[in-house]
Amino acid sequence: DAGVTQSPTHLIKTRGQQVTLRCSPKSGHDTVSWYQQALGQGPQFIFQYYEEEERQRGNFPDRFSGHQFPNYSSELNVNALLLGDSALYLCASSLVPDSSYNEQFFGPGTRLTVL
Amino acid sequence: RKEVEQDPGPFNVPEGATVAFNCTYSNSASQSFFWYRQDCRKEPKLLMSVYSSGNEDGRFTAQLNRASQYISLLIRDSKLSDSATYLCVVTVYGNKLVFGAGTILRVKS
Repeated sequence: DAGVTQSPTHLIKTRGQQVTLRCSPKSGHDTVSWYQQALGQGPQFIFQYYEEEERQRGNFPDRFSGHQFPNYSSELNVNALLLGDSALYLCASSLVPDSSYNEQFFGPGTRLTVL
Repeated sequence: RKEVEQDPGPFNVPEGATVAFNCTYSNSASQSFFWYRQDCRKEPKLLMSVYSSGNEDGRFTAQLNRASQYISLLIRDSKLSDSATYLCVVTVYGNKLVFGAGTILRVKS
């Protein structure tokens, strides 16, 4: 049973560029959440997708956008990259977006460096 | 004020020691509470859920005090393999996780 997978593992971009990160949820899961973890900080919630729609959003600018596909996989897009966007981007999958009690499983993350 | 606050540490303890981590949360509407463990440059993994009645899993004991909005984690008989960052996590609505900044534990032989 494959867990949550993310690609790419590492990415280096320059300021102003755009980036797309990808996530495949754990088998049987239909909800995908994205988190940003800056160095020395805990992960911060970006947004959550369920049934191909954004269900919840954290305090992130519109430069951050996403998409969920019919197979439940998801993409995170970041436009006009800033140095401060350098972080580990984590994808988490779960069953049912509205329950606090369903465990979320995290992927290994994509480490983005913006120069 | 941050939604979830933790002592960043690091906590440097010898093998076999007992160590306690504390966490406070600001939103009284918080619904669920967890401790996650994160190894260096790895993803967070659920260590245990936290209930008002307290719960234990082997050497780990977690406690929740809703009145004080306080969560604790106790690790007994520390092992070298317990070295990691411990993240205090709450949910307010749905399953959006709100993380603390984490407490670093280093267990030394």
